[in-house]
Amino acid sequence: GEKVEQHESTLSVREGDSAVINCTYTDTASSYFPWYKQEAGKSLHFVIDIRSNVDRKQSQRLIVLLDKKAKRFSLHITATQPEDSAIYFCAASPDSNYQLIWGSGTKLIIKP
Amino acid sequence: AQTIHQWPVAEIKAVGSPLSLGCTIKGKSSPNLYWYWQATGGTLQQLFYSITVGQVESVVQLNLSASRPKDDQFILSTEKLLLSHSGFYLCAWSLDWGAEQFFGPGTRLTVL
Repeated sequence: GEKVEQHESTLSVREGDSAVINCTYTDTASSYFPWYKQEAGKSLHFVIDIRSNVDRKQSQRLIVLLDKKAKRFSLHITATQPEDSAIYFCAASPDSNYQLIWGSGTKLIIKP
Repeated sequence: AQTIHQWPVAEIKAVGSPLSLGCTIKGKSSPNLYWYWQATGGTLQQLFYSITVGQVESVVQLNLSASRPKDDQFILSTEKLLLSHSGFYLCAWSLDWGAEQFFGPGTRLTVL
């Protein structure tokens, strides 16, 4: 079955700099890749997603890149702000089922 | 506007006791529904999904069961709790598969 590895367990960047969080997956059939954010002690909120028919998607300060050959996808947060501090989870899923396989999470710390 | 409620907010239960957690979605007809479990500080594991009333599919076997007795209600239960059931339980809904999932506030379960 699908396995998703999230490479950075903690990432610390200075406010205003960019942050990059990387994930890899194993199943070539996976075609949907969302990102979610979890603030301390709270629930999850959708950040951005990408499907396998594109290799780049941007929403304001968020950019997600997908490299299907390398089975890797990444979240880029530009011009980071204190409110970006949270745990970010990546996930992957084939279209053919209703399951999301999650990465282990990256704690993003924005330093002043 | 759609709202999602989970109950209870938190629960402390004894090993071997029964459990029932609930989730209600208001303002959306026929959503896809999901149950997730998150170990403390850990990644997410999808437990169940449901695409229609009365039909629930299991993703992993964790001695838990789920039911969808109404279009807007999703119930997670077990007759006998294990220590390993401790964690954060999240209910979510989406319009369709491959769409943004909206998460409830979660139920924190401690099994002693």
